[in-house]
Amino acid sequence: AQTVTQSQPEMSVQEAETVTLSCTYDTSENNYYLFWYKQPPSRQMILVIRQEAYKQQNATENRFSVNFQKAAKSFSLKISDSQLGDTAMYFCAFMSFSNEKLTFGTGTRLTIIP
Amino acid sequence: DVKVTQSSRYLVKRTGEKVFLECVQDMDHENMFWYRQDPGLGLRLIYFSYDVKMKEKGDIPEGYSVSREKKERFSLILESASTNQTSMYLCASSLIGTDQETQYFGPGTRLLVL
Repeated sequence: AQTVTQSQPEMSVQEAETVTLSCTYDTSENNYYLFWYKQPPSRQMILVIRQEAYKQQNATENRFSVNFQKAAKSFSLKISDSQLGDTAMYFCAFMSFSNEKLTFGTGTRLTIIP
Repeated sequence: DVKVTQSSRYLVKRTGEKVFLECVQDMDHENMFWYRQDPGLGLRLIYFSYDVKMKEKGDIPEGYSVSREKKERFSLILESASTNQTSMYLCASSLIGTDQETQYFGPGTRLLVL
């Protein structure tokens, strides 16, 4: 069974700064996807970024980028130029190629301070 | 845009009641999922369905059942609600095939069982 670990329950950072959220996972599979989902306060969970394990290049979406280290089973999220709207719970998640089930970490509550 | 809706944002029920949580998606997705979200535990999969009338147990199916009579609708049933089922319930859907790995979430139903 896969496990996903987020070791930072809460983080806070000043607006416009850069912040990195950590995620590690454990799996014996070679082909899989990794995701970061964002859940703003009282709002819907949305996908921030995803990474296919077979791709060596780190995924990037505007101010969001990942540092994917397959050998170390690490998948961190970097938010550059943080904005107040980035305040949310962030969940790291894993999905193997062989099924459509997501395994989530416990989440990191990120607060952006004005 | 994909839209996933859930029948209620907040529900208060009494112990022993039968509870129905409904989820509807408008993008003809084959896969639908029910998760439970608890602080410090992240999201845990209760049940999922990959087609009409098909269902599979997730990680925590005990005390729950599901129904999928139409492709767009996936219901979660608490046969006899208990206080330990007080939680946030999230529904999600995804395609089979291209982009199958991305799940789209509803706004959630916060259930309180007294």
